[in-house]
Amino acid sequence: AQKVTQAQTEISVVEKEDVTLDCVYETRDTTYYLFWYKQPPSGELVFLIRRNSFDEQNEISGRYSWNFQKSTSSFNFTITASQVVDSAVYFCALSERRYGGSQGNLIFGKGTKLSVKP
Amino acid sequence: DGGITQSPKYLFRKEGQNVTLSCEQNLNHDAMYWYRQDPGQGLRLIYYSQIVNDFQKGDIAEGYSVSREKKESFPLTVTSAQKNPTAFYLCASTWSPGGHQPQHFGDGTRLSIL
Repeated sequence: AQKVTQAQTEISVVEKEDVTLDCVYETRDTTYYLFWYKQPPSGELVFLIRRNSFDEQNEISGRYSWNFQKSTSSFNFTITASQVVDSAVYFCALSERRYGGSQGNLIFGKGTKLSVKP
Repeated sequence: DGGITQSPKYLFRKEGQNVTLSCEQNLNHDAMYWYRQDPGQGLRLIYYSQIVNDFQKGDIAEGYSVSREKKESFPLTVTSAQKNPTAFYLCASTWSPGGHQPQHFGDGTRLSIL
């Protein structure tokens, strides 16, 4: 069965610290997609990144970076030099590729609440 | 601006009452979704629709109903059969089903019991 585990419920850091949010997933499929979303206090989920199971290249976007390791079924997210605006709940999600009528729905982890203090 | 509009932002339900949450998108997306979020929990799928006039139950469909009469609209009704409706409800859409497309989300509706 598919499952996403975000073991860190809450993390608190001081501004400018680096922080890593962990995500471990379970799936039996060889083709799947991993996502990270940010949920600021306003409530909407903001898409950050998508990775497919065949692309293990790490990705960097500004202060954000993602480390995808199939060997450990992990897709971790690092924020470098954190800022107060990074305070939010971050969700990792998994979807399996589906063709035809069946739907590859998103399975979400429970989220990690990040608080960045000035 | 293209996006997903959910209304109302806050909603209160009385005992025995059905309430309907609105979700409208102007992104021309085929697939639409409803999720429920409880404090400290991830999102759980209530219903989804891949095309107009078709929808499927998600993981927690009991006590909810939906319709998809227009491509841009996917309203969710929380019926009196849903005994614990207090939660944050999020609507999402994507270009096509299949799992590979990121979903775009609305701002959510917070439902409480009076």
